[in-house]
Amino acid sequence: EAGVAQSPRYKIIEKRQSVAFWCNPISGHATLYWYQQILGQGPKLLIQFQNNGVVDDSQLPKDRFSAERLKGVDSTLKIQPAKLEDSAVYLCASSLDWAGYDSDTQYFGPGTRLTVL
Amino acid sequence: EDKVVQSPLSLVVHEGDTVTLNCSYEVTNFRSLLWYKQEKKAPTFLFMLTSSGIEKKSGRLSSILDKKELFSILNITATQTGDSAVYLCAVNTNAGKSTFGDGTTLTVKP
Repeated sequence: EAGVAQSPRYKIIEKRQSVAFWCNPISGHATLYWYQQILGQGPKLLIQFQNNGVVDDSQLPKDRFSAERLKGVDSTLKIQPAKLEDSAVYLCASSLDWAGYDSDTQYFGPGTRLTVL
Repeated sequence: EDKVVQSPLSLVVHEGDTVTLNCSYEVTNFRSLLWYKQEKKAPTFLFMLTSSGIEKKSGRLSSILDKKELFSILNITATQTGDSAVYLCAVNTNAGKSTFGDGTTLTVKP
């Protein structure tokens, strides 16, 4: 079974530039998560999708971050414009349908390391 | 606000030692607690605990949950250098929300 795919793996940009990350979840997983992980901290949820609907985006800085999941499969996360404090690893995860204990286990992609200069 | 606190933040041991990692939580409508191992970048699943007092075990790793005192421990016996990683604790609620702790960085020296 293929895992969660993410691209790019690394990105270096100047502040005020824009950047986009892509994620393809495990086939059949209805729930998709985007996390921001700053060095030395745990993953912080940015947005959670159930199919192509948003379940939770309460911690997404909506003035600069946006995300979409068209057709309920792959997803993109965009930052525009980037700030120095956005330097972090962006993790995408997926899980089975949001119901029952099986859905609590999240499967993570390799992440994208973003450096903002 | 839901909160998950892990301790210690970091730990250095020698091969063969036994370690205990702690995770305490305060969440509304607890459903499950999960442990993940993070090497390099992607966290990988270790255990899911939903009921108090039932130990989950996999080889040298084991974990138990205390829902009354709101904590869980992860034990690793006979540690090996390959156990060096960040261990993350995550708590899920009935509303489907996940909150992660900041992790414990374990370093196992030969």
